[in-house]
Amino acid sequence: GENVEQHPSTLSVQEGDSAVIKCTYSDSASNYFPWYKQELGKRPQLIIDIRSNVGEKKDQRIAVTLNKTAKHFSLHITETQPEDSAVYFCAACYGNKLVFGAGTILRVKS
Amino acid sequence: DTGVSQDPRHKITKRGQNVTFRCDPISEHNRLYWYRQTLGQGPEFLTYFQNEAQLEKSRLLSDRFSAERPKGSFSTLEIQRTEQGDSAMYLCASSFAGKETQYFGPGTRLLVL
Repeated sequence: GENVEQHPSTLSVQEGDSAVIKCTYSDSASNYFPWYKQELGKRPQLIIDIRSNVGEKKDQRIAVTLNKTAKHFSLHITETQPEDSAVYFCAACYGNKLVFGAGTILRVKS
Repeated sequence: DTGVSQDPRHKITKRGQNVTFRCDPISEHNRLYWYRQTLGQGPEFLTYFQNEAQLEKSRLLSDRFSAERPKGSFSTLEIQRTEQGDSAMYLCASSFAGKETQYFGPGTRLLVL
């Protein structure tokens, strides 16, 4: 079935350190993997996405890697800042719908 | 604001009442999606439209739920005979057909007492 597992569920890092969030998906037919950031009471905001024809994509302090063979993808945030504190969701696109992981609460301590 | 908008932002209702939510997608986006998000979980897909056609519905969408997009622009999601288990954030998203990127609205938070 369509399933996305996300780890860890919570992550605390010191300001300036890196944060890594990992996801695995079940259906090898999936070919699009977005990451959303959701602050308390606000809409999910797309921060980066990757398609299956590339293995890595970077946008300033944020990068995503994809391993299609292992069916996992990861979000990397470098030089974390307090404003990075939020809930992060990975997702995999199955057909025309997104299936989301359960989310990671990231706390950046200053 | 040219993003996805939803109305109302909050709704409190009593069990057994009907509620209706509205979503206005980004203009020219021909796909519109409804998701439900409960506390501590990621959004769960409910249904989606391409133009006015409802093309897929999740098994989560019981017969008490109905969605429409009559003119291929805004959409409504109605829940009949609400139950306490319907309490959640209802999110709408839109995209161009053929483009996977979905943009979310701010959601409607429903509380059923």
